[in-house]
Amino acid sequence: QVQLVESGGGVVQPGRSLGLSCAASGFSFNNYAVHWVRQSPGKGLEWVAVISYDGGTKYYTDSVKGRFTISRDNSKNTLSLQMNSLTTEDTAVYYCATGDSARFDYWGQGTLVTVSS
Amino acid sequence: DIQMTQSPSSLSASVGDRVNITCRASQGISNYLAWFQQKPGKAPKSLIYAASSLQSGVPSKFSGSGSGTDFTLTISSLQPEDFATYFCHQYYSYPRTFGQGTKVEIK
Repeated sequence: QVQLVESGGGVVQPGRSLGLSCAASGFSFNNYAVHWVRQSPGKGLEWVAVISYDGGTKYYTDSVKGRFTISRDNSKNTLSLQMNSLTTEDTAVYYCATGDSARFDYWGQGTLVTVSS
Repeated sequence: DIQMTQSPSSLSASVGDRVNITCRASQGISNYLAWFQQKPGKAPKSLIYAASSLQSGVPSKFSGSGSGTDFTLTISSLQPEDFATYFCHQYYSYPRTFGQGTKVEIK
């Protein structure tokens, strides 16, 4: 079955960097676009970024452009999110998600990022 | 950006009730609309895609309708396990956007 497992969350000071990973299994990872979606505590869902099946196309929400970088390694079935210049507004649970036609059919369990001094 | 507006933001209902949640897009999105259920501390779960297609394994008490800008999620007979927060989502264009959520609580 499809499984997505995020890791790398933790507590980080404002202005610092953090890298997240998402390990995929149970499907042909290299055939699917994959997204990062975040949810601030007690808040709604916010799409963050997407990378195409081959890594050739990437889109970001405006608030993270120039600070976050999405990447993938199809040989390792892994998705990454490098987050730089973090602010308190980036505090959230980060999910990776994928599905047919770039939908969010499948989600990981999420990893919590807390930006605090 | 396409704004997604859900209503109501919360509702109280009894077991066995029929529940409707609406979602309006700020511009036409054809049928590129999905619905998710989220329980506390858990990841969202996909219920409906393409406005009215039931995700595999989702019970038929869930149904979706609509096209263009106006969409509805219906739960035909509310059960205890259905008390959760529901989100709509447009995947017509980037940036992808979500509704603010509808919390379904027990009356």
